[in-house]
Amino acid sequence: GAVVSQHPSWVICKSGTSVKIECRSLDFQATTMFWYRQFPKQSLMLMATSNEGSKATYEQGVEKDKFLINHASLTLSTLTVTSAHPEDSSFYICSARDQLRRTSYNEQFFGPGTRLTVL
Amino acid sequence: AQKVTQAQTEISVVEKEDVTLDCVYETRDTTYYLFWYKQPPSGELVFLIRRNSFDEQNEISGRYSWNFQKSTSSFNFTITASQVVDSAVYFCALSENTGFQKLVFGTGTRLLVSP
Repeated sequence: GAVVSQHPSWVICKSGTSVKIECRSLDFQATTMFWYRQFPKQSLMLMATSNEGSKATYEQGVEKDKFLINHASLTLSTLTVTSAHPEDSSFYICSARDQLRRTSYNEQFFGPGTRLTVL
Repeated sequence: AQKVTQAQTEISVVEKEDVTLDCVYETRDTTYYLFWYKQPPSGELVFLIRRNSFDEQNEISGRYSWNFQKSTSSFNFTITASQVVDSAVYFCALSENTGFQKLVFGTGTRLLVSP
C-alpha cells in the first residue's frame, strides 16, 4: 500500500513558539491531504482538508490563523502550530489521498502521527 | 450530519475469548463507506476493512469478522479467539461519497486482552 510519513514523530517545545509538522506521501501523488488532532483517550477529529496549490478548508472551530496549512507540492503538506500553548499538546495525524484516481473510493493513507508537547 | 457511535468505551477479555465491538452510524447519504481501524499503543492507525453501503455481505478475515446491517445502521466487528496482541483502540468510521469523502470517526473502543 501507499506510504505516508510524518516528521517529526515527536516534538517538545516551549509555550509561545511555533512548530512545523511535515506530512509526505512517499510513493504517490497526494492531491488531497487531511490533518487530524487526537487528544489523549479521544477520537480523531478532522482539523482541515488541503488540496495541492489551494487554500485549506478548515473544520468549524479550528483557528486557521493558529494552524497554518501549506500544501505546496503533490507530496508534501505542512501544519504549523503558531504560538503554541499547553492546550495544543496533542497527537497530530495526517492522511493523504490521490484524489485524481478515477475509482469509486479513493483510499486515505495515514501517517504515523506526531506527538506535540507544549511546556 | 454524519455520526458514528461506539457505545463501548472499554472492553476487557481474557485471551481466547470472542469479543464483539459495536458500531452504529447515522447518515442521510444513500452511498457511503464504513471502516474499521486499529490503533495500537504506538499510535499509528492500521486499516482493517472498508465496506460500501451497497454491499451487505458479511466478511471474514482470519480471526476477524464484520457484520454489516443497514436495517439497524450497524457495522459490528468480532474478534474470535482474542490474543494479547489484539489489545488496542478500535475505531469505526464513516465516509460520505461526495466532495473530499471526509472520514468521521467514532469515539473508539479500547480492547484489553489479558493472558
